[in-house]
Amino acid sequence: QQPVQSPQAVILREGEDAVINCSSSKALYSVHWYRQKHGEAPVFLMILLKGGEQKGHEKISASFNEKKQQSSLYLTASQLSYSGTYFCGTGGSGGRDDKIIFGKGTRLHILP
Amino acid sequence: KAGVTQTPRYLIKTRGQQVTLSCSPISGHRSVSWYQQTPGQGLQFLFEYFSETQRNKGNFPGRFSGRQFSNSRSEMNVSTLELGDSALYLCASKRELTNTEAFFGQGTRLTVV
Repeated sequence: QQPVQSPQAVILREGEDAVINCSSSKALYSVHWYRQKHGEAPVFLMILLKGGEQKGHEKISASFNEKKQQSSLYLTASQLSYSGTYFCGTGGSGGRDDKIIFGKGTRLHILP
Repeated sequence: KAGVTQTPRYLIKTRGQQVTLSCSPISGHRSVSWYQQTPGQGLQFLFEYFSETQRNKGNFPGRFSGRQFSNSRSEMNVSTLELGDSALYLCASKRELTNTEAFFGQGTRLTVV
């Protein structure tokens, strides 16, 4: 039930691009992305609520493929501040039994 | 606007003891969720409370319990502590139950010896 994230870890140089994938064995209704820096609380990045929806924030964007039950997070021209662990969470349709189940995370390290 | 406050920040307990963790959500938020974070396991969902009612529960043993008060503050209790309960416990608050942004607290680091 826990979504699977890949890769588990990635090291990039500043300015390079990265893609983090999140897949689920169950039907997806929503995907939530968070970033956690070392020693800090996870911080919200974005929610995707319907298939095919893409959202972006500065140079971080995400897509949601409902048919393939997966989402991808794209980090373009990465900056040092992007370092941290990225978690995807899969949610239900907003009904009573809705809860966010997070994957194990992808550790991203940006080198200068 | 004050964020999510968790107390205490650090705890050391002995096997067999019990512990209570506290979470004060952002003012106006009625949903509080609890997660256990351990290295390599990500954020494991414990339970979610909304308007003093437990709405969802994860796959944790009955030793883990929680409650929510009328002011939306929530407590989590773990009885008969085991070494494997050592973890960072995070709570997150949301305004409503639906798919909205969750705000996480700094967490309580529990060490069981």
